[in-house]
This record gives sequence, C-alpha cells and structure tokens, in this order.
Amino acid sequence: ETGVTQSPTHLIKTRGQQVTLRCSSQSGHNTVSWYQQALGQGPQFIFQYYREEENGRGNFPPRFSGLQFPNYSSELNVNALELDDSALYLCASSHGITNTGELFFGEGSRLTVL
Amino acid sequence: AQKVTQAQTEISVVEKEDVTLDCVYETRDTTYYLFWYKQPPSGELVFLIRRNSFDEQNEISGRYSWNFQKSTSSFNFTITASQVVDSAVYFCALTEAAGNKLTFGGGTRVLVKP
Repeated sequence: ETGVTQSPTHLIKTRGQQVTLRCSSQSGHNTVSWYQQALGQGPQFIFQYYREEENGRGNFPPRFSGLQFPNYSSELNVNALELDDSALYLCASSHGITNTGELFFGEGSRLTVL
Repeated sequence: AQKVTQAQTEISVVEKEDVTLDCVYETRDTTYYLFWYKQPPSGELVFLIRRNSFDEQNEISGRYSWNFQKSTSSFNFTITASQVVDSAVYFCALTEAAGNKLTFGGGTRVLVKP
C-alpha cells in the first residue's frame, strides 16, 4: 500500500451534476497531482497542487478545479458533468516540486456519468 | 509537446517466458525522466523504474531490466521469467526536468498464463 487514500471509490452521477473527489496524501508529502484515466487509456494529467497552490495544469477546462488543504490533503471538483467525464480519477502524492521522483498513487475514484 | 507511444496493446505469454514492452517517446526537452509503472486490477499505479535522460546505462533489477536508447527515443522494459502475478497493465511515462507531471502512454496489457 502507498498510504494514499481516495474517496469515494465508486460513484454514479448524471449529466450536469457536480462531483467532489477526495485524496489524502502519504505522510510527509506536500504535493498532490490528479490524473484522469478513461477506460482503456493511459492517465492524463489534470493539475498539481503544492503547498495549497496550483502548480501546473493539463489540458482540462475550468470546470475541473481543485483545492489543497493545510494538511496537504486535496479535493478535485468537477462541475457540469459530461458523459466523457466518466473515468478513473487517480490521485498521486510526492514531496516537493524541484525534484523528480517516485509518485505514490491511490487506487482511484471511479466516476460514472449517466 | 511531449508524447509517449506504446504500440503493443496486449501481450499474452506463458509463465516463465520473457516479456519485452516497447515504448517510444517524443520531447523537446534536453533533460527529462522516463518511468515504467504497473497497474494491477486494483487500480493504483505502482512505480517500477525511473531513468533520467543523461543516464543511458541499462540495468537489471531483479527480474526487471530496461533498454534506454536516446538515439531512437526508446525506453523498452523486459520482465524475465514472467509469473502470473506480473499480469497487469504497464505504462511508460515521461516528465520534464522537475515537477512530476507525467505524460503516459496508452499502456500494454500483459497476460501471463500458468
């Protein structure tokens, strides 16, 4: 186990609704990254948070937003859900942004949009 | 823009056979890092290996080995004497010098039969 926990593990929403996904990073890690993995594809980088500030964003619209809290846990919010938002959402934690090391991933939150 | 291509979508082998996974990447950066991750059915991505762009030395770690060739932008990964527990989806990934913002390939599903 990586020590990264995500909730909920599964959820079903309908088009137009909003969803919040949560992630607790591994102890000692101050950086959280979120990835979207559609079925049968590789993960795609959504954004990264470092010390409560967004530190880089992938090619995702503004309706994808996030937060990082003082304890370094994080939330991913998606507004106005679309069918194509159905995917596994993975959270990864690491320490710092000036080095490049191993990312520790959670088991993901599987979102189904009907 | 960075891009990672894994041409093999699925490989099926019998236990104890060797498995080689291909990965080709594109980047304009002169400093970058390459990774291999394993994704078992549980969903979390498990770090396997990392290599930076200045180190083309190929190594062996247990049953894993890799072949990094900068001249052909390839970073191939081999599992020696495969086991049933190696069955998973394997992802090759690339990131710039710092920051852990990974670009993943589409993945290769490995099925090891007893």
